[in-house]
Amino acid sequence: QKEVEQDPGPLSVPEGAIVSLNCTYSNSAFQYFMWYRQYSRKGPELLMYTYSSGNKEDGRFTAQVDKSSKYISLFIRDSQPSDSATYLCAMSTGGANSKLTFGKGITLSVRP
Amino acid sequence: DGGITQSPKYLFRKEGQNVTLSCEQNLNHDAMYWYRQDPGQGLRLIYYSQIVNDFQKGDIAEGYSVSREKKESFPLTVTSAQKNPTAFYLCASMDRGYTGELFFGEGSRLTVL
Repeated sequence: QKEVEQDPGPLSVPEGAIVSLNCTYSNSAFQYFMWYRQYSRKGPELLMYTYSSGNKEDGRFTAQVDKSSKYISLFIRDSQPSDSATYLCAMSTGGANSKLTFGKGITLSVRP
Repeated sequence: DGGITQSPKYLFRKEGQNVTLSCEQNLNHDAMYWYRQDPGQGLRLIYYSQIVNDFQKGDIAEGYSVSREKKESFPLTVTSAQKNPTAFYLCASMDRGYTGELFFGEGSRLTVL
């Protein structure tokens, strides 16, 4: 079993839809959970950052972490064509020498 | 503006040639990383460095080499031993105070002809 599994996609939705992106993981030591957004031919950029369990909201984006189920989600409300990108989940155990473990990414297309 | 600069953006190489990808950061970050990205594969860690003059192998280090002589610079050499070098290469850095946030460069696309 891979440490981090992400729905493979691709995903295509109409403008205004609610999008749900999900990752599962196997390492119960993960404490830091992130979502990165990557536009075509660009480097990824941090979109959402959560420590431990709970929800975090930033505008149209909500990140949710359920450590008991080893499951994280990113919700996008009122999706826009500008949200079309690849979304990567990432997580780590924390600490100065830890590394991020990434999901494979899912490509989202929001149709006008 | 603070950030990570990768060069070149696009690079073509003949089989059997070594090539070096540049990565420079002015964020004063201690840790730097090299990832490889292939379609459907996500990001795979090649090498990382937590401090100057020290670096560790990642998950797919074979056929690659790095150096970390200065805090700001972490060049990656793709050697002729790398069997499938055509890929998108991403350099990143992180503050050792550890927020978990990686700052990425714009990437270098290497194509082997």
